[in-house]
Amino acid sequence: LAKTTQPISMDSYEGQEVNITCSHNNIATNDYITWYQQFPSQGPRFIIQGYKTKVTNEVASLFIPADRKSSTLSLPRVSLSDTAVYYCLVAQTGANNLFFGTGTRLTVIP
Amino acid sequence: GAGVSQSPSNKVTEKGKDVELRCDPISGHTALYWYRQSLGQGLEFLIYFQGNSAPDKSGLPSDRFSAERTGGSVSTLTIQRTQQEDSAVYLCASSWGTSGRETQYFGPGTRLLVL
Repeated sequence: LAKTTQPISMDSYEGQEVNITCSHNNIATNDYITWYQQFPSQGPRFIIQGYKTKVTNEVASLFIPADRKSSTLSLPRVSLSDTAVYYCLVAQTGANNLFFGTGTRLTVIP
Repeated sequence: GAGVSQSPSNKVTEKGKDVELRCDPISGHTALYWYRQSLGQGLEFLIYFQGNSAPDKSGLPSDRFSAERTGGSVSTLTIQRTQQEDSAVYLCASSWGTSGRETQYFGPGTRLLVL
């Protein structure tokens, strides 16, 4: 089971770039890395997914080093609406025990 | 189409009572997941279903918890003889499959309060 470790919380000012790193030392060959965002009183929602190197979409970038033992979610120019909890999920093929962890609570300050 | 729906949205019950929580996944999604989230905590995986296959129940916290999925669609999570520590938000998610790379789509959750 590939468990993950993330910082519990982070603060950032509006307009700054935020990088949240997740450690997953026991990641397996077939595992993908997925990040979710959760606002209060809502279920998590998908942000980005990757397997190796770099992935970019309209909201974020995901950096994965060659050893894949960690990954970094990068949010460019955050706004107040990006205040949320961010979860890193490493899921195995045919996973039957998915570990979301405690997530990182990002607070964006005006 | 419609997203994942859950009912009820809120449930208040007395200790010792049984409760049933319902999840309607996105049409066509073969995989369905149940999670529990205590106040201020992360998501605790409970159980998942893949199509009509028997679920893996190893994540359920006690034998008071059970879940079923009828016809490969709607799922019900049942908690018998509820305890105060069962108070939490119960989240359901569905996906096209369980390959590990499938995006999970979450419902709004059911907030359970056991008095």
